Amino acid sequence: AQTVTQSQPEMSVQEAETVTLSCTYDTSENNYYLFWYKQPPSRQMILVIRQEAYKQQNATENRFSVNFQKAAKSFSLKISDSQLGDTAMYFCAFRNNAGNMLTFGGGTRLMVKP
Amino acid sequence: NAGVTQTPKFQVLKTGQSMTLQCAQDMNHEYMSWYRQDPGMGLRLIHYSVGAGITDQGEVPNGYNVSRSTTEDFPLRLLSAAPSQTSVYFCASNPGQGRTEAFFGQGTRLTVV
Repeated sequence: AQTVTQSQPEMSVQEAETVTLSCTYDTSENNYYLFWYKQPPSRQMILVIRQEAYKQQNATENRFSVNFQKAAKSFSLKISDSQLGDTAMYFCAFRNNAGNMLTFGGGTRLMVKP
Repeated sequence: NAGVTQTPKFQVLKTGQSMTLQCAQDMNHEYMSWYRQDPGMGLRLIHYSVGAGITDQGEVPNGYNVSRSTTEDFPLRLLSAAPSQTSVYFCASNPGQGRTEAFFGQGTRLTVV
């Protein structure tokens, strides 16, 4: 079974600064997918970024980028130029190659301060 | 452009009552799943389905039943609600294998008193 660990329950960052959220996972599979989801107070789960394990290049989406270290089983999220709207819970998630389930970390609550 | 629709959004039950959480998707996705989210924890998989007529247990299946008679619908049944089932429930769907992400419903906040 896979496990996903987010070691930072809460973090804060000043508006316009950069913050990195950590995620580690454990799996015996070679092909899989990793995701970061954002959950604002509205409770909606919003996909931020995804990474295919077979790709060495780190994924980027505008101000969001990841540092994917497959050997170390690490998948951190970097948010650049933080905005007040980035305040939310962030969940790291693992999906197996069969695609039938997601395993989530415990989440990191991010507060962006003005 | 409905996506994944969950009903109801909020529900209060008494211990021992039964109810069904509804989930419907209009994207013709093969895979559907139910998760629960408890305070301080991530989402945990309850049950999932890889197609009509096929269901399987996830990490925390006890106390819940599911069925998948159509591609669109995947209801979650609580046969005898317990306070430990107080949680926020999410339904999700995805097309199947590959890089695509799961699409989530808005969630149902269930309180069992």
